[in-house]
Amino acid sequence: EIVMTQSPLSLPVTPGEPASISCKSSQSLLHSDGDHYLEWYFQRPGQSPQLMVYLGSRRAPGVPDRFSGSGSGTDFTLKISRVEAEDVGIYYCMQGLQTPRTFGQGTKVEI
Amino acid sequence: QITLKESGPTVVKPTQTLILTCDFSGFSVISSGVSVGWIRQSPGKALEWLALLYWDNDERYNPSLKNRVTIARDISKSQVILTLTNMTPADTGTYFCAHRRDLEWGFDPWGPGIPVTVSS
Repeated sequence: EIVMTQSPLSLPVTPGEPASISCKSSQSLLHSDGDHYLEWYFQRPGQSPQLMVYLGSRRAPGVPDRFSGSGSGTDFTLKISRVEAEDVGIYYCMQGLQTPRTFGQGTKVEI
Repeated sequence: QITLKESGPTVVKPTQTLILTCDFSGFSVISSGVSVGWIRQSPGKALEWLALLYWDNDERYNPSLKNRVTIARDISKSQVILTLTNMTPADTGTYFCAHRRDLEWGFDPWGPGIPVTVSS
């Protein structure tokens, strides 16, 4: 199975400042259709996860444009251009290329 | 608007079989490209993908569950059912069902989740 490794696991942030989370996969996530099957999810305490980014860089509807996904092959990044208080929670990457789908360990973002 | 909600027992005994139901609305489970998945989260831990059911009734499972898991649908009731046999304390966690609109899109939205505890 594809192993997903996130870093850092804990990320102290300052409101108004940028933040960045890395996600590395043990195999390339490039599909034959030319897209990278990498998704980002955000989970607040006590809530279910919500989709933030799919196909590596496409923001889901309703996701603020301060969030951006990038990367290719095995290396991906989720960036927040200016952190807001509501961005506190845990971010997970997940590969959608192979079965079983696999998640990263999660990155806890806290102020 | 697409919604999903999980239901079922919140406490099961070791060796018992867990049956969870995902009631959904706002989409058809037989629409081309659509799939519904189950994901769980052990207390304080990361997310674990369990199973996925595609619009054409193709089923995919996490091999780590070693043939203990089954996913099925009841189209007339707008339900997707997860069955997990031979439960152990390691299966304790919150179980989520989630919708995918097509092969490329992510899991969106998710149900609120149902906590399940395995204890004698």
